Amino acid sequence: NAGVTQTPKFQVLKTGQSMTLQCAQDMNHEYMSWYRQDPGMGLRLIHYSVGAGITDQGEVPNGYNVSRSTTEDFPLRLLSAAPSQTSVYFCASSPTTRSPTDTQYFGPGTRLTVL
Amino acid sequence: GENVGLHLPTLSVQEGDNSIINCAYSNSASDYFIWYKQESGKGPQFIIDIRSNMDKRQGQRVTVLLNKTVKHLSLQIAATQPGDSAVYFCAENYTGRRALTFGSGTRLQVQP
Repeated sequence: NAGVTQTPKFQVLKTGQSMTLQCAQDMNHEYMSWYRQDPGMGLRLIHYSVGAGITDQGEVPNGYNVSRSTTEDFPLRLLSAAPSQTSVYFCASSPTTRSPTDTQYFGPGTRLTVL
Repeated sequence: GENVGLHLPTLSVQEGDNSIINCAYSNSASDYFIWYKQESGKGPQFIIDIRSNMDKRQGQRVTVLLNKTVKHLSLQIAATQPGDSAVYFCAENYTGRRALTFGSGTRLQVQP
């Protein structure tokens, strides 16, 4: 299987534009999440989902929307891009949500630049 | 508030030496800890984890030590190789919380 996949790998936006970052996993994982990683920093949680139809906010949710219509897909939407959203975005998934110790598997990332 | 951080931002070692990467955490409720390795241009990759009911866990060439008294976590890499060069993150969680908190990372540079 492909694991966690993300598209696009790179994206440049102008301030005010909108776009959707795609994330998909083929491991039938219940839990999926989005993180952003800024230079010299760790990952910060944006949104997460514990199953289809269920989403919740993480540490830095402002400016982002998510939905989870299927188990496989968890897209992240930027409604009106701002330069502060320039970052590398990682999607992750884990098998279940019954235990916080489930290992999270990360995608390769999307590098977003907002001009 | 919660804080997971690292003592050293960059660690440079000679090939074949042992490496020790440290991490401090402040949330006494944390009961699960993970080390991730992130190579340039890639997503974090799971290395090893440890639960709070343990103080040591070993994997292949890696050992994680947990000292709950001083809220300190370390990753030891034996016989460090050039392929170990990467940024290493610690992350923590606690029962009932559905998210990890990551530290800011330590860059490990292995000199041949």
